[in-house]
Amino acid sequence: DARVTQTPRHKVTEMGQEVTMRCQPILGHNTVFWYRQTMMQGLELLAYFRNRAPLDDSGMPKDRFSAEMPDATLATLKIQPSEPRDSAVYFCASGSVGGPILYGYTFGSGTRLTVV
Amino acid sequence: TQLLEQSPQFLSIQEGENLTVYCNSSSVFSSLQWYRQEPGEGPVLLVTVVTGGEVKKLKRLTFQFGDARKDSSLHITAAQPGDTGLYLCAGADAGNNRKLIWGLGTSLAVNP
Repeated sequence: DARVTQTPRHKVTEMGQEVTMRCQPILGHNTVFWYRQTMMQGLELLAYFRNRAPLDDSGMPKDRFSAEMPDATLATLKIQPSEPRDSAVYFCASGSVGGPILYGYTFGSGTRLTVV
Repeated sequence: TQLLEQSPQFLSIQEGENLTVYCNSSSVFSSLQWYRQEPGEGPVLLVTVVTGGEVKKLKRLTFQFGDARKDSSLHITAAQPGDTGLYLCAGADAGNNRKLIWGLGTSLAVNP
């Protein structure tokens, strides 16, 4: 089965350090999302790309977060500097979007980030 | 702000019981998806409903999309411990169908 691969699965870091999370979307999918999940807020959209171009990153704190897609096989989410409130599970998801109906996305297993 | 409200928030039942969870909004969606998420994993897509009034069945799971495409329900018959997980609904914004509006989920525990 095709799957979305995220690395690392777990990351513990000290406040102020840079964190980079990586995602390999499913080959052929043209849309990639980054989400953050917490108990209180649920799934929050941080950024998404279509055909590698950033379409919306309005959900992302711009001063410390950045998302890029250097090629079709890699999406990255970077936090610099990290803060304890960034502790959450970060998910990457990919899908094919072209017509008027969105049929859903495939999620990776997530990166559980703990900032101490 | 578009919101999807899911109810109940938590549900604990015995194996063999039936249950229904709900997903409601004041907004119209072009499509709506249901996902199940298990601890330590990402959400997994169960079904997409598109047409108002549509009913889809997936083994013991029955999904219905409201006539006005603003709400949906998931009914599980004879629940099993393997059904335990967080059930999330997500609606595709009718104006921008790439973005999903997510509910907070229903956490289901099925006890043997």
